[in-house]
Amino acid sequence: NAGVTQTPKFQVLKTGQSMTLQCAQDMNHNSMYWYRQDPGMGLRLIYYSASEGTTDKGEVPNGYNVSRLNKREFSLRLESAAPSQTSVYFCASSPIPQPQHFGDGTRLSIL
Amino acid sequence: AQSVAQPEDQVNVAEGNPLTVKCTYSVSGNPYLFWYVQYPNRGLQFLLKYITGDNLVKGSYGFEAEFNKSQTSFHLKKPSALVSDSALYFCAVRDGVTGGGNKLTFGTGTQLKVEL
Repeated sequence: NAGVTQTPKFQVLKTGQSMTLQCAQDMNHNSMYWYRQDPGMGLRLIYYSASEGTTDKGEVPNGYNVSRLNKREFSLRLESAAPSQTSVYFCASSPIPQPQHFGDGTRLSIL
Repeated sequence: AQSVAQPEDQVNVAEGNPLTVKCTYSVSGNPYLFWYVQYPNRGLQFLLKYITGDNLVKGSYGFEAEFNKSQTSFHLKKPSALVSDSALYFCAVRDGVTGGGNKLTFGTGTQLKVEL
């Protein structure tokens, strides 16, 4: 079972470059989420999609955009990357109200 | 607003000894509570949840957690720790009355180190 698949696994960007992080799930879940993980701060929600066709801001949405392409796919875009966006990004999916299932993350460094 | 506190950044325990990782929460309404584990360079893996029912919840890999409503706590426990339990543990809470797709609030994590 693939579960939640994130691509790429690693990426280095220069300040000002743009990039899209991809996420796909094969569990037929309605809801999908993007988090960032920084040392000592746990996971913080960037954006979520409760169902196909809807997206909403989370705790730290500034500098990011998302697209729920279909039920399986939920992408996160950085339009103009900044060093403060250096982080590990996790995508998750869930039915409601069952637990969220996580991908293995994208490690993003912005120079 | 919902919140979670994990008061210990790190917990050290000897293999074979019982372990406890602490979590307290704040929500309006009845809480949905979760524990996740994260191994190096991996995503979070679900361990157990409390939504309703018995206050003692049993989960994966021999872990259990006790829901205490009066103390607003949901501590993770295991009777006998293994070296392989060494990992980063996260507590998370969801407000039971909130809409909007099952949003969780996570604690800052507790690093568990089990030594021989």
